Amino acid sequence: NAGVTQTPKFRILKIGQSMTLQCTQDMNHNYMYWYRQDPGMGLKLIYYSVGAGITDKGEVPNGYNVSRSTTEDFPLRLELAAPSQTSVYFCASSPSYGRDYNEQFFGPGTRLTVL
Amino acid sequence: GENVEQHPSTLSVQEGDSAVIKCTYSDSASNYFPWYKQELGKGPQLIIDIRSNVGEKKDQRIAVTLNKTAKHFSLHITETQPEDSAVYFCARGSYGKLTFGQGTILTVHP
Repeated sequence: NAGVTQTPKFRILKIGQSMTLQCTQDMNHNYMYWYRQDPGMGLKLIYYSVGAGITDKGEVPNGYNVSRSTTEDFPLRLELAAPSQTSVYFCASSPSYGRDYNEQFFGPGTRLTVL
Repeated sequence: GENVEQHPSTLSVQEGDSAVIKCTYSDSASNYFPWYKQELGKGPQLIIDIRSNVGEKKDQRIAVTLNKTAKHFSLHITETQPEDSAVYFCARGSYGKLTFGQGTILTVHP
């Protein structure tokens, strides 16, 4: 299994541009998450999904959108890039949800710079 | 979600010494407490976790303790090795979501 894969690894955007960060997992996990990690800070949840067709906002959803049309894919869309969105973005997946947690498996991250 | 406070932000030890990282939380609904290790340029990886009905858990050189009354939990690494050098994150889980601490940069000097 490749686990959680993310593309691209690096990207530089100009203010106002749009892009999609791709995330794919091959572990048949129902639950997927998007986090951002700013320098010196922990990970903050942007959006999450408990299954195909179901998404919900996390702690910092403004400026982002997601979709979940398949179990495997969970893309993150930035519509009008702003310098405040400069960060490292991590996608994660988990085999379960709710009070009985299992491990979240993380991808290698996408480093995004908005100039 | 409510914050998780993690201390220290940096920790430097000699190879073979022990390292301890502590986290505190305030959300009483939290019932899952994982610890993640993040190496440079990589995503976080789970190293140990503990659930609210357990006070301590060990896995070789790594242990986690939980005091639910005081709302704090700690990571203990014994006999540290240079390959333990990384950023460590604690987190608390509540209703399917994780809230992370700010991270601790651990450096183990040979």
